[in-house]
Amino acid sequence: DQQVKQNSPSLSVQEGRISILNCDYTNSMFDYFLWYKKYPAEGPTFLISISSIKDKNEDGRFTVFLNKSAKHLSLHIVPSQPGDSAVYFCAAGINTNAGKSTFGDGTTLTVKP
Amino acid sequence: DTGVSQDPRHKITKRGQNVTFRCDPISEHNRLYWYRQTLGQGPEFLTYFQNEAQLEKSRLLSDRFSAERPKGSFSTLEIQRTEQGDSAMYLCASSGVGGYTFGSGTRLTVV
Repeated sequence: DQQVKQNSPSLSVQEGRISILNCDYTNSMFDYFLWYKKYPAEGPTFLISISSIKDKNEDGRFTVFLNKSAKHLSLHIVPSQPGDSAVYFCAAGINTNAGKSTFGDGTTLTVKP
Repeated sequence: DTGVSQDPRHKITKRGQNVTFRCDPISEHNRLYWYRQTLGQGPEFLTYFQNEAQLEKSRLLSDRFSAERPKGSFSTLEIQRTEQGDSAMYLCASSGVGGYTFGSGTRLTVV
Protein backbone atom coordinates (compact mmCIF):
# COMPACT_ATOMS: atom_id res chain seq x y z
CA ASP A 1 0.00 0.00 0.00
CA GLN A 2 1.58 3.24 -1.17
CA GLN A 3 1.00 5.82 1.53
CA VAL A 4 2.09 8.84 -0.53
CA LYS A 5 0.94 9.10 -4.12
CA GLN A 6 1.77 11.51 -6.88
CA ASN A 7 -0.69 10.50 -9.56
CA SER A 8 0.73 12.60 -12.37
CA PRO A 9 4.06 11.22 -13.58
CA SER A 10 4.65 14.30 -15.70
CA LEU A 11 3.51 17.88 -16.18
CA SER A 12 4.35 20.37 -18.90
CA VAL A 13 3.73 24.11 -18.56
CA GLN A 14 4.68 27.26 -20.41
CA GLU A 15 7.23 29.61 -18.92
CA GLY A 16 5.58 32.28 -16.82
CA ARG A 17 2.48 30.23 -16.10
CA ILE A 18 1.58 28.44 -12.88
CA SER A 19 2.71 24.88 -12.21
CA ILE A 20 0.57 22.85 -9.82
CA LEU A 21 1.90 19.55 -8.56
CA ASN A 22 -0.37 17.33 -6.52
CA CYS A 23 0.15 14.74 -3.83
CA ASP A 24 -2.23 12.51 -1.88
CA TYR A 25 -1.54 10.57 1.29
CA THR A 26 -3.41 7.89 3.18
CA ASN A 27 -1.83 7.80 6.63
CA SER A 28 -3.65 10.20 8.94
CA MET A 29 -0.69 10.08 11.34
CA PHE A 30 1.43 12.13 8.95
CA ASP A 31 1.87 15.61 10.36
CA TYR A 32 4.75 17.03 8.39
CA PHE A 33 5.03 17.34 4.64
CA LEU A 34 7.88 18.30 2.34
CA TRP A 35 8.58 18.92 -1.30
CA TYR A 36 11.92 18.16 -2.90
CA LYS A 37 13.28 18.92 -6.34
CA LYS A 38 15.70 16.61 -8.09
CA TYR A 39 17.87 17.26 -11.13
CA PRO A 40 19.46 14.34 -13.01
CA ALA A 41 22.61 12.95 -11.40
CA GLU A 42 22.00 14.93 -8.21
CA GLY A 43 20.36 14.14 -4.90
CA PRO A 44 16.99 15.67 -3.99
CA THR A 45 17.05 19.27 -2.81
CA PHE A 46 14.65 20.42 -0.12
CA LEU A 47 12.22 23.06 -1.39
CA ILE A 48 9.51 23.77 1.13
CA SER A 49 7.66 22.11 3.98
CA ILE A 50 4.43 22.45 5.90
CA SER A 51 3.26 21.28 9.27
CA SER A 52 -0.23 19.91 9.75
CA ILE A 53 -1.12 22.86 11.95
CA LYS A 54 -1.01 25.08 8.87
CA ASP A 55 -2.84 24.97 5.58
CA LYS A 56 -0.46 27.13 3.58
CA ASN A 57 3.23 27.94 3.50
CA GLU A 58 4.89 30.28 1.05
CA ASP A 59 8.52 30.80 0.08
CA GLY A 60 9.11 33.08 -2.86
CA ARG A 61 7.65 31.52 -5.99
CA PHE A 62 6.76 28.31 -4.16
CA THR A 63 3.60 27.79 -2.12
CA VAL A 64 2.45 24.56 -0.54
CA PHE A 65 -1.20 24.04 0.33
CA LEU A 66 -2.41 21.34 2.70
CA ASN A 67 -5.97 20.02 2.86
CA LYS A 68 -5.99 17.67 5.82
CA SER A 69 -9.58 16.55 5.43
CA ALA A 70 -8.86 15.46 1.86
CA LYS A 71 -5.37 14.21 2.73
CA HIS A 72 -4.07 16.23 -0.17
CA LEU A 73 -1.30 18.71 -0.68
CA SER A 74 -0.16 20.68 -3.65
CA LEU A 75 2.85 22.71 -4.68
CA HIS A 76 2.29 25.86 -6.70
CA ILE A 77 5.13 27.45 -8.61
CA VAL A 78 4.43 30.94 -9.89
CA PRO A 79 5.76 32.05 -12.28
CA SER A 80 7.31 28.88 -13.66
CA GLN A 81 10.80 29.15 -15.12
CA PRO A 82 12.72 26.77 -17.41
CA GLY A 83 15.17 26.15 -14.55
CA ASP A 84 12.30 24.66 -12.57
CA SER A 85 12.29 21.66 -14.93
CA ALA A 86 13.08 18.71 -12.67
CA VAL A 87 11.50 15.81 -10.83
CA TYR A 88 9.47 16.91 -7.81
CA PHE A 89 8.95 14.56 -4.88
CA CYS A 90 6.34 14.92 -2.20
CA ALA A 91 7.19 13.39 1.17
CA ALA A 92 5.26 12.92 4.40
CA GLY A 93 6.46 12.18 7.89
CA ILE A 94 5.56 12.06 11.56
CA ASN A 95 6.67 14.30 14.43
CA THR A 96 8.92 16.46 12.30
CA ASN A 97 11.58 13.76 11.89
CA ALA A 98 11.23 14.40 8.22
CA GLY A 99 14.27 12.35 7.39
CA LYS A 100 12.15 9.26 7.98
CA SER A 101 9.57 10.50 5.51
CA THR A 102 7.69 8.40 3.03
CA PHE A 103 8.17 9.68 -0.50
CA GLY A 104 5.91 9.68 -3.52
CA ASP A 105 7.22 8.47 -6.86
CA GLY A 106 7.72 11.96 -8.22
CA THR A 107 6.33 14.19 -10.96
CA THR A 108 8.55 15.32 -13.81
CA LEU A 109 7.93 19.00 -14.50
CA THR A 110 8.93 20.47 -17.83
CA VAL A 111 8.74 24.24 -18.22
CA LYS A 112 8.87 25.25 -21.86
CA PRO A 113 10.41 28.60 -22.83
CA ASP B 1 31.91 22.54 3.77
CA THR B 2 30.77 21.37 0.33
CA GLY B 3 27.69 19.46 1.42
CA VAL B 4 27.01 15.75 1.74
CA SER B 5 29.56 13.62 -0.06
CA GLN B 6 29.04 10.03 -1.14
CA ASP B 7 31.65 7.63 -2.41
CA PRO B 8 31.81 5.95 -4.84
CA ARG B 9 29.42 7.56 -7.31
CA HIS B 10 29.06 4.32 -9.22
CA LYS B 11 29.71 0.70 -8.27
CA ILE B 12 29.39 -2.37 -10.46
CA THR B 13 29.69 -5.65 -8.65
CA LYS B 14 29.10 -9.31 -9.32
CA ARG B 15 26.24 -11.06 -7.63
CA GLY B 16 27.30 -12.50 -4.30
CA GLN B 17 30.00 -9.93 -3.60
CA ASN B 18 29.93 -7.54 -0.65
CA VAL B 19 29.88 -3.78 -1.22
CA THR B 20 30.38 -0.82 1.10
CA PHE B 21 29.38 2.77 0.48
CA ARG B 22 30.55 5.82 2.39
CA CYS B 23 28.73 9.01 3.28
CA ASP B 24 30.33 12.14 4.69
CA PRO B 25 27.64 14.45 6.06
CA ILE B 26 27.76 18.17 6.63
CA SER B 27 30.05 18.46 9.63
CA GLU B 28 27.66 20.20 12.01
CA HIS B 29 24.73 17.88 11.19
CA ASN B 30 24.06 15.30 13.88
CA ARG B 31 21.50 13.20 12.03
CA LEU B 32 22.35 11.01 9.06
CA TYR B 33 19.94 9.00 6.92
CA TRP B 34 20.25 6.29 4.30
CA TYR B 35 17.74 5.69 1.51
CA ARG B 36 17.38 3.46 -1.51
CA GLN B 37 15.86 4.74 -4.74
CA THR B 38 14.90 2.49 -7.61
CA LEU B 39 14.06 3.69 -11.09
CA GLY B 40 10.78 5.57 -11.29
CA GLN B 41 10.25 5.64 -7.54
CA GLY B 42 10.94 8.01 -4.73
CA PRO B 43 13.61 7.48 -2.09
CA GLU B 44 12.83 4.75 0.43
CA PHE B 45 14.03 5.32 3.99
CA LEU B 46 16.35 2.60 5.31
CA THR B 47 17.94 3.73 8.56
CA TYR B 48 19.18 6.75 10.48
CA PHE B 49 21.71 7.84 13.07
CA GLN B 50 21.71 10.54 15.68
CA ASN B 51 25.41 11.12 16.22
CA GLU B 52 26.84 7.58 16.50
CA ALA B 53 23.60 5.97 17.69
CA GLN B 54 21.58 4.05 15.13
CA LEU B 55 18.04 4.93 16.17
CA GLU B 56 16.12 2.94 13.64
CA LYS B 57 17.12 -0.01 11.52
CA SER B 58 13.86 -1.88 11.17
CA ARG B 59 13.46 -0.57 7.64
CA LEU B 60 16.72 -2.06 6.42
CA LEU B 61 15.70 -4.35 3.60
CA SER B 62 17.18 -7.55 4.93
CA ASP B 63 19.86 -8.79 7.30
CA ARG B 64 22.31 -8.47 4.40
CA PHE B 65 22.15 -4.70 4.91
CA SER B 66 23.98 -2.97 7.74
CA ALA B 67 25.09 0.55 8.50
CA GLU B 68 27.56 2.12 10.89
CA ARG B 69 28.54 5.57 12.02
CA PRO B 70 31.35 4.77 14.45
CA LYS B 71 32.43 8.23 15.51
CA GLY B 72 29.31 10.19 14.73
CA SER B 73 30.85 11.63 11.60
CA PHE B 74 30.95 9.62 8.36
CA SER B 75 28.76 6.56 7.86
CA THR B 76 29.03 3.37 5.86
CA LEU B 77 26.32 1.19 4.37
CA GLU B 78 27.28 -2.40 3.62
CA ILE B 79 25.39 -4.91 1.53
CA GLN B 80 26.55 -8.50 1.86
CA ARG B 81 26.03 -11.18 -0.77
CA THR B 82 24.58 -8.75 -3.26
CA GLU B 83 21.65 -9.75 -5.42
CA GLN B 84 20.48 -8.29 -8.71
CA GLY B 85 17.51 -6.78 -6.91
CA ASP B 86 19.90 -4.63 -4.90
CA SER B 87 20.68 -2.61 -8.02
CA ALA B 88 19.54 0.92 -7.17
CA MET B 89 20.68 4.38 -6.17
CA TYR B 90 21.68 4.61 -2.51
CA LEU B 91 21.25 8.08 -1.10
CA CYS B 92 22.53 9.60 2.10
CA ALA B 93 21.21 12.76 3.74
CA SER B 94 22.14 14.69 6.83
CA SER B 95 20.17 17.14 8.88
CA GLY B 96 20.65 19.79 11.48
CA VAL B 97 19.60 23.38 11.98
CA GLY B 98 18.75 24.58 8.51
CA GLY B 99 17.22 21.47 7.09
CA TYR B 100 18.01 18.33 5.17
CA THR B 101 20.73 17.93 2.60
CA PHE B 102 21.10 14.95 0.31
CA GLY B 103 24.21 13.64 -1.31
CA SER B 104 24.31 12.76 -4.99
CA GLY B 105 24.07 9.07 -4.26
CA THR B 106 25.92 5.88 -5.12
CA ARG B 107 24.52 3.95 -8.07
CA LEU B 108 24.93 0.22 -7.55
CA THR B 109 24.66 -2.22 -10.42
CA VAL B 110 24.76 -5.91 -9.59
CA VAL B 111 25.59 -8.11 -12.58
